[in-house]
Amino acid sequence: GENVEQHPSTLSVQEGDSAVIKCTYSDSASNYFPWYKQELGKGPQLIIDIRSNVGEKKDQRIAVTLNKTAKHFSLHITETQPEDSAVYFCAASYSSASKIIFGSGTRLSIRP
Amino acid sequence: EPEVTQTPSHQVTQMGQEVILRCVPISNHLYFYWYRQILGQKVEFLVSFYNNEISEKSEIFDDQFSVERPDGSNFTLKIRSTKLEDSAMYFCASKDRGGNTEAFFGQGTRLTVV
Repeated sequence: GENVEQHPSTLSVQEGDSAVIKCTYSDSASNYFPWYKQELGKGPQLIIDIRSNVGEKKDQRIAVTLNKTAKHFSLHITETQPEDSAVYFCAASYSSASKIIFGSGTRLSIRP
Repeated sequence: EPEVTQTPSHQVTQMGQEVILRCVPISNHLYFYWYRQILGQKVEFLVSFYNNEISEKSEIFDDQFSVERPDGSNFTLKIRSTKLEDSAMYFCASKDRGGNTEAFFGQGTRLTVV
């Protein structure tokens, strides 16, 4: 079945540095790749998404890249700030499917 | 800003008891979902619901689980006879349309089965 692998499971970076989280997916039919941020005690919140007809997308300090051939996609956060500390989930889906398949999550900690 | 709301935020129940988790999706949304997250693990799909019927369900969603949209606003998940391994955070989500569009998640209900 569909599977999404995510690395690393934990990541600690100095405030102001960049953070990169990487994911791979197994189902070649996947064409939608959202990224969610989950803060303590809250539900996942979409922060950025990318569709398979696009290789890269940027929104202020956040960018995602997608390599369909390799089935890799990544989240890049630049100029990290304390409020970026959270658990980040990558996910994959395809347009005719109902469900989102989540990665295992990355706990990002920003050191002051 | 419209949001998905879930009640209760925390439910403790004895093994074998029935529980109903409640969700109020965003008002103009048509697609509804339940996911669960066992402590420290990934978010897992349980079931999707559209046009008053289940669209898709996972292996986790066995005969002990059921969903219902009893009126125009609520979407419920019932677990008929809870097991210890049902302890998890349960998230409701909704979308305004199908395809590759944003799913909005509620804050979750923490279910503890003792």
